[in-house]
Amino acid sequence: AIRMTQSPSSFSASTGDRITITCRASQGIGSYLAWYQQKPGKAPQLLIYAASTLQSGVPSRFSGSGSGTDFTLTISCLQSEDFASYYCQQYYSYPFTFGPGSKVDIK
Amino acid sequence: QVKLVESGGGVVQPGGSLTLSCAASGFIFNYFGMHWVRQAPGKGLEWVAFISYDGSKTYYADSVEGRFTISRDNSKNILYLQMNVLRPEDRGLFYCAKGGRLETSNIDSWGQGNLVTVSS
Repeated sequence: AIRMTQSPSSFSASTGDRITITCRASQGIGSYLAWYQQKPGKAPQLLIYAASTLQSGVPSRFSGSGSGTDFTLTISCLQSEDFASYYCQQYYSYPFTFGPGSKVDIK
Repeated sequence: QVKLVESGGGVVQPGGSLTLSCAASGFIFNYFGMHWVRQAPGKGLEWVAFISYDGSKTYYADSVEGRFTISRDNSKNILYLQMNVLRPEDRGLFYCAKGGRLETSNIDSWGQGNLVTVSS
């Protein structure tokens, strides 16, 4: 199975900050990478797919980049509603696998 | 819009069985692959199983292979997860999720989840 890692696992930030979360795959996955946001008590929501394509309705302050094994999720100007956990997932091959998550909380 | 509503969760003893259902609406169900994803309390997301749009292909996580069976009834727009020989580590919130037409498509919609507790 392809192993996904994320960093950092958790960190504190302030509204208005620019933040970057990194996701790494144990082998090349092309651009078969999605990012999800999950708030406490809620289901995950798709933010980005194909590594860099913004899902409809997702604010443009979210962006994704990368291909192969290294990927990033960037939030250009953190808003209060962005404090949440973020997961990357590879869908290049089965079993699909998620990263362990990155929790962003308020500084 | 896409709506996925899970049901069938509850408390079951170790070694027991449970079947989850997911009622789908708001999209052409028989056109899309479907997934189950679970989340243990306070933990991350774990992909569990996939079934193709026509039910001809299924894939499972190693942790559930041979114990769980994913199926679908396209005439009723319902997805199922039959879970046998349940273990305490199987407990968690089980999400039904919509994939794409292709097997290697991302998940784009999620249900609200259904809780499964495995305890004696």
